[in-house]
Amino acid sequence: DAGITQSPRHKVTETGTPVTLRCHQTENHRYMYWYRQDPGHGLRLIHYSYGVKDTDKGEVSDGYSVSRSKTEDFLLTLESATSSQTSVYFCATLTGRVGETQYFGPGTRLLVL
Amino acid sequence: GENVEQHPSTLSVQEGDSAVIKCTYSDSASNYFPWYKQELGKGPQLIIDIRSNVGEKKDQRIAVTLNKTAKHFSLHITETQPEDSAVYFCAASKESSGDKLTFGTGTRLAVRP
Repeated sequence: DAGITQSPRHKVTETGTPVTLRCHQTENHRYMYWYRQDPGHGLRLIHYSYGVKDTDKGEVSDGYSVSRSKTEDFLLTLESATSSQTSVYFCATLTGRVGETQYFGPGTRLLVL
Repeated sequence: GENVEQHPSTLSVQEGDSAVIKCTYSDSASNYFPWYKQELGKGPQLIIDIRSNVGEKKDQRIAVTLNKTAKHFSLHITETQPEDSAVYFCAASKESSGDKLTFGTGTRLAVRP
């Protein structure tokens, strides 16, 4: 499982409040990703990172920002949470070597009221 | 960009029967196709993958086939067991690895004892 932990695992918040989700990995994988999972949509990429301070947008990045100040940590921030951001959020990592695949964390279930 | 369609969305089989899940992709440059299994409350886990230079790959009761001409690939599970019950996701990438994966919408497989 590439030593991936996500915190918190569950969170309930109110519309308009900021929320930060943390992904921590212990395998020194270079690439990290944030996805959201919603019924009927599968896994959709929010943001990704190819290294420290190297991040880019995925297909559903509006309303989200990320930061990666250390190889092992990738933070996802919802600046002002909305009900449409109620979802399950998964972090994933990749070594970056050819032929490797992504490893996923256990997920964070977020409810925005 | 790449689009991956997955069918069926739900599948129910009797224990011991076979299950087949199909995915089609739109970008002929895609060359890496992983399959993930997601159990309730957990993150997706890789179960098998195939690259475009191979037509079929097998691992015990699980096999994946790839038809590059038709741009579709399939997951075959034989002799299904109750522990095979889960959501299965296909994905595609042009990067020869797990980078920049586009996921299908998932298939919920139920194996009836």
